[in-house]
Amino acid sequence: ETGVTQTPRHLVMGMTNKKSLKCEQHLGHNAMYWYKQSAKKPLELMFVYSLEERVENNSVPSRFSPECPNSSHLFLHLHTLQPEDSALYLCASSQDRLGYGYTFGSGTRLTVV
Amino acid sequence: SQELEQSPQSLIVQEGKNLTINCTSSKTLYGLYWYKQKYGEGLIFLMMLQKGGEEKSHEKITAKLDEKKQQSSLHITASQPSHAGIYLCGADPQTQGAQKLVFGQGTRLTINP
Repeated sequence: ETGVTQTPRHLVMGMTNKKSLKCEQHLGHNAMYWYKQSAKKPLELMFVYSLEERVENNSVPSRFSPECPNSSHLFLHLHTLQPEDSALYLCASSQDRLGYGYTFGSGTRLTVV
Repeated sequence: SQELEQSPQSLIVQEGKNLTINCTSSKTLYGLYWYKQKYGEGLIFLMMLQKGGEEKSHEKITAKLDEKKQQSSLHITASQPSHAGIYLCGADPQTQGAQKLVFGQGTRLTINP
């Protein structure tokens, strides 16, 4: 247990479904992140929230919609996904200053059918 | 944008042998992080290097930062089955505002008994 909890661990959804991924941290960190990890590709930064404000959106399709209601919680809302969106989605948190690094959750393995 | 290249991409070694993984950056390194990932799980922080020439060790794992070469190496001495996994390097691009780590593609390490 790293201090960053992601649920669910596994998710299978159809292309017409709507689902949400949840991330929770109680480390007192003020920045939270969503990364996508696909096979044979480097980790891709999707969204960054600093002090509950979105500060990065790396050209992510609108079918992915993040939400950060407070500094401890981060959601990724999913709708009308494509099979190529199947991947491991990782949440991380950090103190928002250089040199601090991240604490990662265990990830959600998403399969779109 | 900063890119990190890791070598080798995969490595199979006999238990008890030493090994080295390299991470080369396309730009100046201001902070370099090493993480380990078990298949399908989150990343576990190993160590962080910030200054050129810096070297850190934890148990049988040693990491060094060569600022001039824009490179870091991770060395494992007397490898054990518990060292198996995917090793990723991450770099802090030294941007203002929230941290946005970029990662290499990972090195998959297999330890044969």
